[in-house]
Amino acid sequence: RKEVEQDPGPFNVPEGATVAFNCTYSNSASQSFFWYRQDCRKEPKLLMSVYSSGNEDGRFTAQLNRASQYISLLIRDSKLSDSATYLCAVKRASNTGKLIFGQGTTLQVKP
Amino acid sequence: EAGVTQSPTHLIKTRGQQATLRCSPISGHTSVYWYQQALGLGLQFLLWYDEGEERNRGNFPPRFSGRQFPNYSSELNVNALELEDSALYLCASSLGGLAGSNEQFFGPGTRLTVL
Repeated sequence: RKEVEQDPGPFNVPEGATVAFNCTYSNSASQSFFWYRQDCRKEPKLLMSVYSSGNEDGRFTAQLNRASQYISLLIRDSKLSDSATYLCAVKRASNTGKLIFGQGTTLQVKP
Repeated sequence: EAGVTQSPTHLIKTRGQQATLRCSPISGHTSVYWYQQALGLGLQFLLWYDEGEERNRGNFPPRFSGRQFPNYSSELNVNALELEDSALYLCASSLGGLAGSNEQFFGPGTRLTVL
């Protein structure tokens, strides 16, 4: 079993839809959590860090559920430009510097 | 503010050769990380440098090595190249120190092709 798992999708949604992705992690000592966005053949771009209290940035909301060991990303009012692969990343409690990435979830927003 | 920069953009080598990839972190960042993204395999952690020292390495053979210079830029060397080394090599930087929550910002990557 992979340490960080995501549903690869693809998620095909119409413009304006709300879509949610989950990412599960197996190491309960994991300390820090992040969502990245990666466009085809480009580098991952940090979308947001995920805090225990949850956090929101415009149309994007991230939440952490430590009890069930998953993080989520909610995108409201989807735009065509949101089409990309969304990667979750986890860092363990022991300081390794290492981010462990999920395989990514592909989102395709259609007109 | 300039982001993480990497060079070259593309690199083509043949099996058995050596490759050198370079990375300059965001100004003020002292930690540099290297990741490999091979087709279908996702991002895999390679190396972490902070303040000129190697702090951690991923599950890669010793022919993957690197260093960090006094100006915090970094170099990744891959010796005795194999076909499966073909991948996008991504460098990331963050504020230094041992804070686990430091956010990592990625450069555009070097696409290495081994023929």
